[in-house]
Amino acid sequence: RKEVEQDPGPFNVPEGATVAFNCTYSNSASQSFFWYRQDCRKEPKLLMSVYSSGNEDGRFTAQLNRASQYISLLIRDSKLSDSATYLCVVNQGGSQGNLIFGKGTKLSVKP
Amino acid sequence: DAGVIQSPRHEVTEMGQEVTLRCKPISGHNSLFWYRQTMMRGLELLIYFNNNVPIDDSGMPEDRFSAKMPNASFSTLKIQPSEPRDSAVYFCASRHTPGLAGGPTKNIQYFGAGTRLSVL
Repeated sequence: RKEVEQDPGPFNVPEGATVAFNCTYSNSASQSFFWYRQDCRKEPKLLMSVYSSGNEDGRFTAQLNRASQYISLLIRDSKLSDSATYLCVVNQGGSQGNLIFGKGTKLSVKP
Repeated sequence: DAGVIQSPRHEVTEMGQEVTLRCKPISGHNSLFWYRQTMMRGLELLIYFNNNVPIDDSGMPEDRFSAKMPNASFSTLKIQPSEPRDSAVYFCASRHTPGLAGGPTKNIQYFGAGTRLSVL
């Protein structure tokens, strides 16, 4: 089983749609979680951290279910500029640990 | 802050040649990571350094790959000899990692723009 698994997509949605991405991780000792965004031919950039209580940043909501080892990202009122690949990222080793990246879910928002 | 700086941005070389990729981390960051990204395998960690010391190189594919960090502001990833299967985008990332005494951190890594390597 891969350490971090995501649906590769692509998700093709119209502007204004709500879209949700899911991610599962295999190591129950994982301690912190993130979503990164990667635009085509660019580097990954941090979108948001994921906290146990769930957290929201504008149109973006991230949730974590430790019991199910499941992370989600919800994007509301999607914009053309949201088109990118979204990487689920898991830290396995505390403040000095490594990040394990999923392969990413590709989102394409159409007018 | 200039961010993580990688060079070259693009490299095209022939099989068997030596390739050297360079990275300058963000000033003040004490951890540096080298990743490789391909369509098939996604983003894979090759090696990382804490305070210029290699900590984990288990991701380095084979002896043809080597990495050094002679000081806090510079690292190289070398492939010798290069092979077509090494073609990928190579990213460098840096992070501020607190010491063993602890300290606040969000374990956020900042990536350079990457080097797109093509080995013909």
